Formats: sequence, C-alpha cells, structure tokens
Amino acid sequence: SAVISQKPSRDICQRGTSLTIQCQVDSQVTMMFWYRQQPGQSLTLIATANQGSEATYESGFVIDKFPISRPNLTFSTLTVSNMSPEDSSIYLCSVGADRGGYGYTFGSGTRLTVV
Amino acid sequence: GDSVTQMEGPVTLSEEAFLTINCTYTATGYPSLFWYVQYPGEGLQLLLKATKADDKGSNKGFEATYRKETTSFHLEKGSVQVSDSAVYFCALGRNSGNTPLVFGKGTRLSVIA
Repeated sequence: SAVISQKPSRDICQRGTSLTIQCQVDSQVTMMFWYRQQPGQSLTLIATANQGSEATYESGFVIDKFPISRPNLTFSTLTVSNMSPEDSSIYLCSVGADRGGYGYTFGSGTRLTVV
Repeated sequence: GDSVTQMEGPVTLSEEAFLTINCTYTATGYPSLFWYVQYPGEGLQLLLKATKADDKGSNKGFEATYRKETTSFHLEKGSVQVSDSAVYFCALGRNSGNTPLVFGKGTRLSVIA
C-alpha cells in the first residue's frame, strides 16, 4: 500500500494566520482526501482532491477557509486560513485503496493548536 | 448515502476480558469495511478489513466478520491487554478507492490491569 509523508506533524499558530499542510505520497494516486479530527471526535471529511481539477468540499467547509492544491498525482496541500481557536484539530490526508484493495492509507496527521 | 453507526464508549474492561464493539452500516451495493485504531497521541492505523460478505478480517488477536444479512462488522477480541487501550473506528469504503472512507464516531477503550 501507499506510504504518505505528512508535515508538519504539529504546530502552534497565532489566530488570524494561515498554515499549509503538505502530503507527499510514494506512488501516483487519483484521489486524495483531507479530514479533520476535532478533539475527542471522529474524522470529518473536508474535501476530496483530484489532480487537475478543483477540490470538492463537503458541507460546512469552503475553499476560502481551506484552499487545497493538487499539482500532481503524488502531492497535495491543505491550507487552514485565518485561523481561530476553533480550528485546533488534527488534520489528516488519506489516499484510497490501491488496486490490491489493501485499505486506505493515512498520513500521520498534523496536530494544530491555535492560540 | 453511506453511513456507519458504532457503539459509543467509553468502554472500560479488565485485562483478559472479552471485547465486543458493535458496528452497523447503511450502504448500497457491496462496500468494504474497516476497523482503524488510534493509540493515544498517535495517528490512525488500519487494524483489519473485509471486502466482501462473510469475510473475516483479523489482526493482533482482533477479529471482525462482514455480515451482510445484519449489515454489521462487530469487532471482537477474546482477551484484551492494557496495550489495547485506544480509540477504535469502524469505517466503510469502496474497493475503487476513489471515494472517501465514512467513519463511525469511534469507541474509546480503556483496559485496566
């Protein structure tokens, strides 16, 4: 299965600033998914990123707040813009099952604290 | 749309006790089913999976059987250890990998010695 390198692993940011999270995959994948995990909660899908097209956002998430880039089949970024303390969460990227169907792979996550 | 309903915790067990965490799903067609585990302060790890009805996934002493007739994928372990303390997520996906996983709310398990 694919291996994902996600960074940064954690950050403490001032409110009103932005943070860009990067995910690098060791193989070409069609779809990448971005999730948010708020403290003590499950994972919520933010958006699906397909190379060469605009990301598709879930209800409650907008491009101005969470712009996503997908410049090629192995890389994607998620930016958390104009941050507030409510954005303090773990952000994870994921790719879907490979052709062997061995499950979805997740990055190690970015633990963001906004102060 | 697809959805997953998972038994909510927290669940507290003594070491060597039997564990069951219930998971049921709603979906069209033939989804794949997964259990993920998140240890304290760590990322999400795939624990086991099943891709078709009657498949049994197993790993580290944990098992789950894909029951299409009851739309369930309950997680079981015969004898839990303190090191099994974690949050467990049931999830549903598609074999194509082109749709995102749908997660249950997670179950926090605490095992005491």
